Amino acid sequence: DAGVIQSPRHEVTEMGQEVTLRCKPISGHNSLFWYRQTMMRGLELLIYFNNNVPIDDSGMPEDRFSAKMPNASFSTLKIQPSEPRDSAVYFCASSSTVGEIYEQYFGPGTRLTVT
Amino acid sequence: AQKVTQAQTEISVVEKEDVTLDCVYETRDTTYYLFWYKQPPSGELVFLIRRNSFDEQNEISGRYSWNFQKSTSSFNFTITASQVVDSAVYFCALSRISSASKIIFGSGTRLSIRP
Repeated sequence: DAGVIQSPRHEVTEMGQEVTLRCKPISGHNSLFWYRQTMMRGLELLIYFNNNVPIDDSGMPEDRFSAKMPNASFSTLKIQPSEPRDSAVYFCASSSTVGEIYEQYFGPGTRLTVT
Repeated sequence: AQKVTQAQTEISVVEKEDVTLDCVYETRDTTYYLFWYKQPPSGELVFLIRRNSFDEQNEISGRYSWNFQKSTSSFNFTITASQVVDSAVYFCALSRISSASKIIFGSGTRLSIRP
C-alpha cells in the first residue's frame, strides 16, 4: 500500500516567492495533519483536517500560511510570501478515525529552504 | 492541558547495551492514547506503538518493550541489546480518544548507539 505522498521532497526558493507543498494521504484515511519541524522549535502541528474540514489551525504561524483540502485525497500548504524563517521540514500525516486507528502515518517530508 | 515531557535530550550508549527512554505525560482526560515514534537519520517519522490508557499491560516486540504506568503517568521505552540501526530520535506522544483529535508530541530523545 502506498503511504503518505508529499511533493516536492526538496524546495529551494527566494524570499518573497510563493511556495506550495502538496500531500496525498493514505487512501481511506479521513484525517490529515500538517507539521513543521525545525531544530529550534521541534515538531509543531500547523493545522489538521477531518473529513476535509479544517478542525484546528491555531498552529498556523501567520496569515502568510494557508492550507486547503479540496477532497479526501489531496491537500496543499501554501506560504505566500515566503521568508527565510520558514525554512524547515514540513511533514504531512494522515490517520483514520474509522475503526479507531488513531495513530498518524507520516509522509517523507518536504525540506524547504528560503534564501 | 495536555503535555508530554521527554527529559533526556540525548543518550549515547555502546552497542549491545540496554537503554531506556523516559516519557512522562500530563492530561486531565481519563482515557487517552500514548504513542512512540522513531525518526531515523533519513528523516521520516515511523510509528512504533499505540497504547490505550485502559490497558496497562506492558508490551514487547522483539528487542523493544514499553512500560506503561498510569500511577506515575509514564510510558517508558526500552531497547534491549541495542544496535547501531537503533540510532534515531524517538518521540513520545499523547492524544485524546475522540474523533479528529490531534497528537501532542514530546520534544524527542536523540539516541546514539556507538559500535
